[in-house]
Amino acid sequence: NAGVTQTPKFQVLKTGQSMTLQCAQDMNHNSMYWYRQDPGMGLRLIYYSASEGTTDKGEVPNGYNVSRLNKREFSLRLESAAPSQTSVYFCASSDGGAGGRETQYFGPGTRLLVL
Amino acid sequence: AQSVTQLGSHVSVSEGALVLLRCNYSSSVPPYLFWYVQYPNQGLQLLLKYTSAATLVKGINGFEAEFKKSETSFHLTKPSAHMSDAAEYFCAVSYFGNEKLTFGTGTRLTIIP
Repeated sequence: NAGVTQTPKFQVLKTGQSMTLQCAQDMNHNSMYWYRQDPGMGLRLIYYSASEGTTDKGEVPNGYNVSRLNKREFSLRLESAAPSQTSVYFCASSDGGAGGRETQYFGPGTRLLVL
Repeated sequence: AQSVTQLGSHVSVSEGALVLLRCNYSSSVPPYLFWYVQYPNQGLQLLLKYTSAATLVKGINGFEAEFKKSETSFHLTKPSAHMSDAAEYFCAVSYFGNEKLTFGTGTRLTIIP
């Protein structure tokens, strides 16, 4: 089991460029999440998907779009990157169905630098 | 709305000394509380969680935490620090019916040889 995988590991963009961060999990989990991690701010939820075909905004959704392609994959798209989106992005998944008690499993992260 | 506050963004302890990382929560409903650890250049992994059963929760690597409703706290402890404990630690909260976690700002633990 690879768990949660993310690609790419590192990316440099110029302001205005677009890119898609990919995430896949092989644990047959229902729920998937995208977070960003910034120094001194902890992790903040960008988007969340409780099941295939459903998505929900988190705390900081502006400037991002997501696609839950199937049960395994959840992608995050930056349509027009801005320097404020420089961050480390983490994807996570959980089994769901435990009413908030679920353990989330995290990928290794994608470091994004927007110049 | 729920939130967690982690006191101390950086904590240093000597190898073999007690580790105490503080977390206080604010929630209008009974919370579920989590501690996650992040080693350098890695993702987060669960240390332990409180889900309304026993108030003293034991986790991996010798860590434990006690839920104290009267103090709205869920502090993380380990009796004897090891060099391998150097990492960043995050407290997080959710509640019944809500899978979304709200994270604290993190505490970076340094172990002094």
